[in-house]
Amino acid sequence: DVKVTQSSRYLVKRTGEKVFLECVQDMDHENMFWYRQDPGLGLRLIYFSYDVKMKEKGDIPEGYSVSREKKERFSLILESASTNQTSMYLCASSSGGDGYQETQYFGPGTRLLVL
Amino acid sequence: AQSVTQLGSHVSVSEGALVLLRCNYSSSVPPYLFWYVQYPNQGLQLLLKYTSAATLVKGINGFEAEFKKSETSFHLTKPSAHMSDAAEYFCAVKGTYKYIFGTGTRLKVLA
Repeated sequence: DVKVTQSSRYLVKRTGEKVFLECVQDMDHENMFWYRQDPGLGLRLIYFSYDVKMKEKGDIPEGYSVSREKKERFSLILESASTNQTSMYLCASSSGGDGYQETQYFGPGTRLLVL
Repeated sequence: AQSVTQLGSHVSVSEGALVLLRCNYSSSVPPYLFWYVQYPNQGLQLLLKYTSAATLVKGINGFEAEFKKSETSFHLTKPSAHMSDAAEYFCAVKGTYKYIFGTGTRLKVLA
C-alpha cells in the first residue's frame, strides 16, 4: 500500500513564525502536491513537484514556498505565518507513470492554527 | 480550462436509502474523472475513477458512478446508504499534472 505521511496532525503557530510542513511518500512517486482545504472551497493547489528539485506554482502559491531535495520528501514552508493561513493542509503523491489515469494518494492532513 | 461542479454542499439520506451525489464536469478533451471520500480528520481516499474503458465504474464500499458525455456528468451512487458512509465526497478531473477538485458534498446518513 502507498503510504503518505505528514509530520504533524495538528500545529499551532504564532503570526510571523516560519512554519515547515513535511510530507514523505514511500512509493517512489514522481509527483507530489500540496493543497489547502477550507470549508466551502474544496481543495486548492498550492504547489506541486514533478521531479526532484522541480516545482511549479499551483493556484494559490502566495505566502508559501516548497522544497524537494529528495524524491520522497516534499516540504511546504510558510515564510511568515498569517492568520489567513489557518487551514487544513493535505499532501499527495502520484506515480506519474499512468498519465491521465494516475491516482493521487493523500496523507492524513495537518490542521494548522495560526494565532 | 477544466473544471468540476458538485451540486449540493450537504446531502442527507436515511439509512438504507439511495445515495446520489452529483458532479458535472467541463473539459475540452476527454476527461479523466475521480471520486474521493474524506472521513473526519483524515486525508482523501480514492473511491473510483473513470478512464474511458467503461462508462459505468464500480468502486469501493458499494459505490459506482456513470459517465454521461451528453450530460457532462459523473454522478456517484450507492443503492443503500450505511451509517459508515457519512463523510465528505469530492469529485475531481485530471489535467496534465494538476487535479481540479470540486468543493465537496458532505453526506449525512440518518438512522
